[in-house]
Amino acid sequence: SQQGEEDPQALSIQEGENATMNCSYKTSINNLQWYRQNSGRGLVHLILIRSNEREKHSGRLRVTLDTSKKSSSLLITASRAADTASYFCPLNGDSWGKLQFGAGTQVVVTP
Amino acid sequence: EAQVTQNPRYLITVTGKKLTVTCSQNMNHEYMSWYRQDPGLGLRQIYYSMNVEVTDKGDVPEGYKVSRKEKRNFPLILESPSPNQTSLYFCASSLSTGGGTSSYEQYFGPGTRLTVT
Repeated sequence: SQQGEEDPQALSIQEGENATMNCSYKTSINNLQWYRQNSGRGLVHLILIRSNEREKHSGRLRVTLDTSKKSSSLLITASRAADTASYFCPLNGDSWGKLQFGAGTQVVVTP
Repeated sequence: EAQVTQNPRYLITVTGKKLTVTCSQNMNHEYMSWYRQDPGLGLRQIYYSMNVEVTDKGDVPEGYKVSRKEKRNFPLILESPSPNQTSLYFCASSLSTGGGTSSYEQYFGPGTRLTVT
């Protein structure tokens, strides 16, 4: 099994700016998911992108997937203080449904 | 509202005193699992269940038990808690195809912060 490796580890931006984070992986995938975790709270599913999709949008979120480079990116546009959170791109583990988490990208949005 | 609930949200207990953390989902999901989250180690799967009466170990099952008698509930049992089980615990659920390689989005509970002294 493999885990997604999020980059950068931390990101600090001002409200209104865009935030971009990346996820890299080593072996082929069927899909890739992005989750958000506000400090010490539960994880919230953001987007699932399948291997045959290149781009997906959800509100202010834009996810791209490049299977040739084995990487994905998450763009948050016009960030808000409420976007302050850790973002993860867990990959499918060695059993069905298991998510293999990396360290995540910690995003801080300051007013 | 679709949700996963966990109880208690916070618990401080002593070594050796059996405890149960409950998890319940209202989405009729077949798949449920437990994770623990520790600084520097990230989220790791403890146990999972593909359906009623079907459970299996994750990456860190030692010291834990689970049961799945009903589809909606998946309690995590610590028979004899130890300080190294101090952690933040999350229950998650999702639909299941019953096999294959596809995955669905998972719904996570709010977390249970457990301290074992």
